[in-house]
Amino acid sequence: KQEVTQIPAALSVPEGENLVLNCSFTDSAIYNLQWFRQDPGKGLTSLLLIQSSQREQTSGRLNASLDKSSGRSTLYIAASQPGDSATYLCAVRKATNAGKSTFGDGTTLTVKP
Amino acid sequence: DGGITQSPKYLFRKEGQNVTLSCEQNLNHDAMYWYRQDPGQGLRLIYYSQIVNDFQKGDIAEGYSVSREKKESFPLTVTSAQKNPTAFYLCASSIWSGGYNEQFFGPGTRLTVL
Repeated sequence: KQEVTQIPAALSVPEGENLVLNCSFTDSAIYNLQWFRQDPGKGLTSLLLIQSSQREQTSGRLNASLDKSSGRSTLYIAASQPGDSATYLCAVRKATNAGKSTFGDGTTLTVKP
Repeated sequence: DGGITQSPKYLFRKEGQNVTLSCEQNLNHDAMYWYRQDPGQGLRLIYYSQIVNDFQKGDIAEGYSVSREKKESFPLTVTSAQKNPTAFYLCASSIWSGGYNEQFFGPGTRLTVL
């Protein structure tokens, strides 16, 4: 059974700092990995999707990497801003289990002005 | 505007009642999903559907039912058999083109049992 872990559960940084969020998964047979942002009481907003054949994806100040062999993905946020404060979740879709994604519990990020 | 809508935003249920949560999408996506989120936790899959008139159980389907009569709509019924239904419910959709693509989410429905 796939297990997805995100450490730390919470992170607080001063504005302007570069930071890395971690996502680990136990089964490397994945189809893709997706990073999301969730604001309190809201739905999830897709940030980046990495297919299993890719090593990284970039969008603006965000860069996500994928290392299937070690079961890890990282989300790098450059020059953090207070508006980046939210919970960040990763989701892994298993190659042989059509339609099913396994989510981590998320990392709650606070960026202080 | 293309997107996923969920209604109502807040829903209150009395013990023993069935309630239905609405999910509609105009993204022309084939696949639709229902997830449940409990405080401080990630999402758990309830049901998903790849095509009209077909759906599959997820990890926590007990006490829930769905239908997929139209491509755009995937309503979720929370039955009285669901023992702990208070949670945040999220609907999602994605393209299903022989692969597994990016999921997009609706704004969610918060269900509270009185």
